[in-house]
Amino acid sequence: EAGVAQSPRYKIIEKRQSVAFWCNPISGHATLYWYQQILGQGPKLLIQFQNNGVVDDSQLPKDRFSAERLKGVDSTLKIQPAKLEDSAVYLCAMGQGENEQFFGPGTRLTVL
Amino acid sequence: KQEVTQIPAALSVPEGENLVLNCSFTDSAIYNLQWFRQDPGKGLTSLLLIQSSQREQTSGRLNASLDKSSGRSTLYIAASQPGDSATYLCAPRGRGSARQLTFGSGTQLTVLP
Repeated sequence: EAGVAQSPRYKIIEKRQSVAFWCNPISGHATLYWYQQILGQGPKLLIQFQNNGVVDDSQLPKDRFSAERLKGVDSTLKIQPAKLEDSAVYLCAMGQGENEQFFGPGTRLTVL
Repeated sequence: KQEVTQIPAALSVPEGENLVLNCSFTDSAIYNLQWFRQDPGKGLTSLLLIQSSQREQTSGRLNASLDKSSGRSTLYIAASQPGDSATYLCAPRGRGSARQLTFGSGTQLTVLP
């Protein structure tokens, strides 16, 4: 978890509400990833940034999810409106090319 | 599309045993493969990164092997300890332009004292 901070750590909302997550890398890495991890499954990639640009967002539900990366550093992921099936842990990760990826502690979202 | 399978899904062993976790993947054209550990309520911790040209990588009591042609990797844990209890995830990295990781569902390991 070293090098990647995420906030909040936990969030509970009702369906149809909006929510935002933040990722704050402590050390600079060019590539930033957002993953969704549903209970009992491995993480699934939502979006990948290279500096400020989007490399891949093919698995991002764009009708309700959006993400941006500011100045190639911090990033936010937003869900609007949330659905019950969005309950999951949202993980932010950093990497440099094909080297190791380092993950943050995640934000656990519960949608009621 | 890469698919990753990890067997067994759960494993419980007494302290001190040596054990092997298995990972198989359908697309052998990978760039490298990473093994992670995930403790309950936590993010992922990188354990080992093994390049496609390598056959083994070691770190302490952990040894990862890779047989790219057969689409298999194993994680060997020697002399298991209760502190090793966690979920272990493998993730091969593809060779496409995005070079993404694809995760298995993991093996939940419990080491009993």
